[in-house]
Amino acid sequence: EIVMTQSPATLSVSPGERATLSCRASQSVSSNLAWYQQKPGQAPRLLIYGASTRATGIPARFSGSGSGTEFTLTISSLQSEDFAVYYCQQYNNWPRITFGPGTKVDIK
Amino acid sequence: EVQLVESGGGLVKPGGSLRLSCAASGFTFSSYSMNWVRQAPGKGLEWVSSISSSSSYIYYADSVKGRFTISRDNAKNSLYLQMNSLRAEDTAVYYCARDSGSGSYPNWYFDLWGRGTLVTVSS
Repeated sequence: EIVMTQSPATLSVSPGERATLSCRASQSVSSNLAWYQQKPGQAPRLLIYGASTRATGIPARFSGSGSGTEFTLTISSLQSEDFAVYYCQQYNNWPRITFGPGTKVDIK
Repeated sequence: EVQLVESGGGLVKPGGSLRLSCAASGFTFSSYSMNWVRQAPGKGLEWVSSISSSSSYIYYADSVKGRFTISRDNAKNSLYLQMNSLRAEDTAVYYCARDSGSGSYPNWYFDLWGRGTLVTVSS
């Protein structure tokens, strides 16, 4: 099983600031990585796939980068609606897809 | 409206059974692979099971293999998860999720999710 780790566990950011979230895979997943956003009481929402491609309707302030084992999700200027938990997911090793434990972005 | 709506969750005793349903609307259900993903209280996401568009391919996480059965009825636009021999560690919100690809091969990331249904396994 490919183990995904995310850091930090919690990121405190002020509105308008930049947020950088990290995701690491225990072995290479190539660019087969997705990012999701989840708000309390809501289902996850697909943000990024293929490590860097924004999903339909996702604002340009969200960007993804990386390949292999190291990945980054950047939110260029945090809006109030961006405070949420963010999960990475590898799908290189399908069907044994795995998610990271999440990074909570909260208001500083 | 494009949506997925889960139902069938509830409180069940250890060793018991439950059947979850997911009703799809607003898209051509029969063209997509479908999945169940669960989230234990306060925890992260765990993929549970997948079924291809025509039910030809079915996959399970090791944690549920032999106990859970995924199925679908394309005529009814519905996805199901039969859960047997339930354990306390199966307690979670269960989400129905659509694969993002509508072709012959799934993409294995998910672009449409339901709101989830809570399964609680407790005596």
